[in-house]
Formats: sequence, structure tokens, C-alpha cells
Amino acid sequence: AQSVTQLDSHVSVSEGTPVLLRCNYSSSYSPSLFWYVQHPNKGLQLLLKYTSAATLVKGINGFEAEFKKSETSFHLTKPSAHMSDAAEYFCVVHGGTSYGKLTFGQGTILTVHP
Amino acid sequence: EPEVTQTPSHQVTQMGQEVILRCVPISNHLYFYWYRQILGQKVEFLVSFYNNEISEKSEIFDDQFSVERPDGSNFTLKIRSTKLEDSAMYFCASSELTDNQPQHFGDGTRLSIL
Repeated sequence: AQSVTQLDSHVSVSEGTPVLLRCNYSSSYSPSLFWYVQHPNKGLQLLLKYTSAATLVKGINGFEAEFKKSETSFHLTKPSAHMSDAAEYFCVVHGGTSYGKLTFGQGTILTVHP
Repeated sequence: EPEVTQTPSHQVTQMGQEVILRCVPISNHLYFYWYRQILGQKVEFLVSFYNNEISEKSEIFDDQFSVERPDGSNFTLKIRSTKLEDSAMYFCASSELTDNQPQHFGDGTRLSIL
């Protein structure tokens, strides 16, 4: 079985400052991990994915995430926040044993202040 | 870029009525999924579908739910007799493969049961 915990339900940053959204996972298998973003009234857009290649993964819009097996973490970062980054972010794990079932974290709402 | 499209964007239905939510997955994808998100809760897996049959389903996906791929492009979710607790955002997703391949999501259908 797999699970995902996003450690912050809300994160608030100022434009131009770094973003850190924290995620811990639990999986019985070597997981595939994803970050998705959801803007208001829109679907879930893939930001990046980790699939057992490089542990530092670069995604779209300047986001990146680092897979740390020893800490079972997959935190999402961005060096400089932009107003357009304001959205809800989901850390997601694919367990590898089932037919594509994804397990979602509860989401982190990112607010960006001018 | 190819997209998953869902219709309608918002569906209002009386309790006890049947409802069909429609999705057009990305054309070369082979695996199809439904998820739902009750307001304020996590995104939850409902069902995965491959080769014209259900691959996996969650405990939420009881006898009131069914899925179908009636032709080469559409993928539908039917709720036979809706309950108040079926009110949620329903997301359709598709992927080329299951392992390591990200799922692409539609914008969702907001289902409101009165």
C-alpha cells in the first residue's frame, strides 16, 4: 500500500522569494512520484515526475523536486515565486503494483503575495 | 498538445436519477481512469480501465457505478441512482502505459446532487 502526506495545507510566499512544498511518501515498492498543479476551475496539470532515474527532477515553470529515499521525501521547490504560481499542488505516488492507480496527497494551496 | 476533454463541466441532478459523465481521452492512450474529489477532501481513485475491461476499482466504486468505452473515442462513467454524497468533482485521466507514465487529466465535471 502507498500513502502520501503533504506537510503543509497552505503556504504563503512573496513574489520573487523561494517556494518549498513538502511531501513525504510511503510505498511498499520503488515508487514513481509526481507533482501536479491545479489552478482554479482547471484540471490537474503534470509539473514533474520521478521514475527512478535522476533523483533531482526538473519540471515545467522552473519547478524541481528532489527524491530522497532515506527521508522518504519528494519536496517541490522553485527559486523565485511568480504570481502565476498561485494554485493548489498535489504530491502523488504510483505504487507500481496496480493498474495505474494514483494516490494523492491532500494538497497544498500556494498563495503568492506581490 | 493533446488534451483529455470532459463534458459537461457542471451537472446538476436530482437524487435518485441516473447520470452519465463523458470523457474523450488522448487518442493514442490505452489506459483510462476516473477519480473524484469531494469538496475539501483528497482526490480519490475510482477505477482504471484497459482493453475494454476494468483493471482495478476502489471500494468507492460499488454496483451503482459503471464505466464503458462505447466507441473508439469516448469513455463514460455512469452513476445509476445518485446519492447526495456523490456530489463531487469527477476527473477523467488517460495514459499510454501504467508504470512510470504520467496520467493526463481533464478539467473535471462538477456533479451536484440535489
